[in-house]
Amino acid sequence: QQQVKQSPQSLIVQKGGISIINCAYENTAFDYFPWYQQFPGKGPALLIAIRPDVSEKKEGRFTISFNKSAKQFSLHIMDSQPGDSATYFCAASRSPGSARQLTFGSGTQLTVLP
Amino acid sequence: SAVISQKPSRDICQRGTSLTIQCQVDSQVTMMFWYRQQPGQSLTLIATANQGSEATYESGFVIDKFPISRPNLTFSTLTVSNMSPEDSSIYLCSVRPGLSTYEQYFGPGTRLTVT
Repeated sequence: QQQVKQSPQSLIVQKGGISIINCAYENTAFDYFPWYQQFPGKGPALLIAIRPDVSEKKEGRFTISFNKSAKQFSLHIMDSQPGDSATYFCAASRSPGSARQLTFGSGTQLTVLP
Repeated sequence: SAVISQKPSRDICQRGTSLTIQCQVDSQVTMMFWYRQQPGQSLTLIATANQGSEATYESGFVIDKFPISRPNLTFSTLTVSNMSPEDSSIYLCSVRPGLSTYEQYFGPGTRLTVT
């Protein structure tokens, strides 16, 4: 019940295209859903996050869509650029505060072709 | 966001030896964590570093193998003891500034190779 399932494992997109990465969860107690971006040799960087009280959050070219009833959330990267090529991890966590721990998806390796 | 540094950034170690990884944060944070990321894999939580008390370890990780210290609100160390090639991984320090904070940040990682 703690799993977060992420797909696809890898994704190749042309420059200017839309990249879509999907995640699904089982635990309805999850109340925070971040996405991390990781470049080779670097630590994961918090990219964007959403709480379940909204269905969509947009920051620049990055958008999270959240479907509470389906227990799914996705990352959309508009106008994908070669510099977006990285590994993306979805995650989820729940209250209470001191026990809030991130459960990570398996990761998606995104390649944006020039 | 918190700025996190780790030392060393990478190391190559002999089987049977130990390595201590340091994590320094530029501001006081409530929660500090240590993760392991094996090549091409996702992140696995090793333990939560508790200030002034023993770390809280996740299933499959034990204090004898991964002793952790956290002397204050900005610093923690993780030791990988009696290393074997299976310990070759990236070790990541992570912080959450407050108990009521949702955001969690990661350091640059320490890439460990055991020969």
